[in-house]
Amino acid sequence: AQTVTQSQPEMSVQEAETVTLSCTYDTSESNYYLFWYKQPPSRQMILVIRQEAYKQQNATENRFSVNFQKAAKSFSLKISDSQLGDTAMYFCAFMISFGNEKLTFGTGTRLTIIP
Amino acid sequence: DTEVTQTPKHLVMGMTNKKSLKCEQHMGHRAMYWYKQKAKKPPELMFVYSYEKLSINESVPSRFSPECPNSSLLNLHLHALQPEDSALYLCASSQDEGTHTDTQYFGPGTRLTVL
Repeated sequence: AQTVTQSQPEMSVQEAETVTLSCTYDTSESNYYLFWYKQPPSRQMILVIRQEAYKQQNATENRFSVNFQKAAKSFSLKISDSQLGDTAMYFCAFMISFGNEKLTFGTGTRLTIIP
Repeated sequence: DTEVTQTPKHLVMGMTNKKSLKCEQHMGHRAMYWYKQKAKKPPELMFVYSYEKLSINESVPSRFSPECPNSSLLNLHLHALQPEDSALYLCASSQDEGTHTDTQYFGPGTRLTVL
């Protein structure tokens, strides 16, 4: 079975600063996806970024980037130049690439951007 | 377009009522999902449909009855619910290539309150 651990229940950072959210996971699989989803107070779960395990290059999406360390089973999210709209709950999630549609979520990190 | 729509946005029902939640996507995805999310918790998978067939039922009580009338629509029929069923119900969809599925895209959710 897969597990995903987010060890930071809450974080806060000043607007325009950089913040890093931690995620570790445990699996015996070699082919999988990792995701960061954002859920603002409006409650919609929004995909932030996606990483395929076979790709060594870290994924980036504008101000969002990941540090994917496959051997260490670590998948942290860096938000640069943070904005008030980044205030949300952030969930790290894992999915096996083949034969299983289940997303395994971490417990989430509540991020608050302070004006 | 990565839009998944859900109706209604809010629903209040008594324990003897029958109601339905609706989810729609027009991305050509062949896998669709229902999740239940309690406050400050990650989503919990309830059902998965793949090519309009139920592929996963996570031991959900029979008072929840899913239906997939076609590849774009997913319903969740509710009957004789309990107050503890009050939650945010999220729908998601993803590509399904038969051997594997891909990124799940979520709808905005239906906030259900059972009185």
